[in-house]
Amino acid sequence: QVRLQESGPGLLKSSETLLLSCDVSGYSISSGFCWGWVRQSPGRGLEWIGNIHHSGHTHYKPSLQSRVTLSVDTSINSFSLKLTSVTAADTALYYCVRQEEEQLEVDFWGQGTLVTVSS
Amino acid sequence: SYVVTQPPSVSVAPGQTATITCEGDNLGRKIVHWYQQKPGLAPLLIILYDSDRPSGIPERFSGSSSGNTATLTISGVEAGDEADYCCQVWDGPSDDVVFGGGTKLTVL
Repeated sequence: QVRLQESGPGLLKSSETLLLSCDVSGYSISSGFCWGWVRQSPGRGLEWIGNIHHSGHTHYKPSLQSRVTLSVDTSINSFSLKLTSVTAADTALYYCVRQEEEQLEVDFWGQGTLVTVSS
Repeated sequence: SYVVTQPPSVSVAPGQTATITCEGDNLGRKIVHWYQQKPGLAPLLIILYDSDRPSGIPERFSGSSSGNTATLTISGVEAGDEADYCCQVWDGPSDDVVFGGGTKLTVL
């Protein structure tokens, strides 16, 4: 069974940089699929942030592209999210996910990690 | 950017059929997926590629898509079906994954 587990700081201040990691077990990232991030806030529902293909190619949500960087470390079967210049609008529950390569449905989700941005 | 719209809420009595819609420009030309999310849990994929069910999802859940509307149908609704339901598409031209705002299903 594929399992994903997020880790990172729960509280940041405005203008800081968010760094989240996702450890994957039960499947080797280098074997396939896209590995990404989805966040959820009460006022905005689910929002896709981006994903990184097992080959390293990245796709980012156009509205977040200037602030997002995804990376993968196949040696430890983990991938990461970097989001710069955070504001209160980035406060959300962040899920790491596995997405199919063609139509990008999410077949596995982490449990989510809450990130709060304070001013 | 591409937008898909869902009704905020749908209510249905137990045993009846619930219909949840997802609307977008020429949505029928795109592939739609559906998720169920219960409080405190991550979303669960229940319909993929418009109408396919992943292993373990009851046949009571079905999907269809045509024109500007994709539809999730839940037959013989049970109390345990009470949840938020959300559609998702990939918009090729903008290379964006878009989620609907979600529909809260209430079982009366």
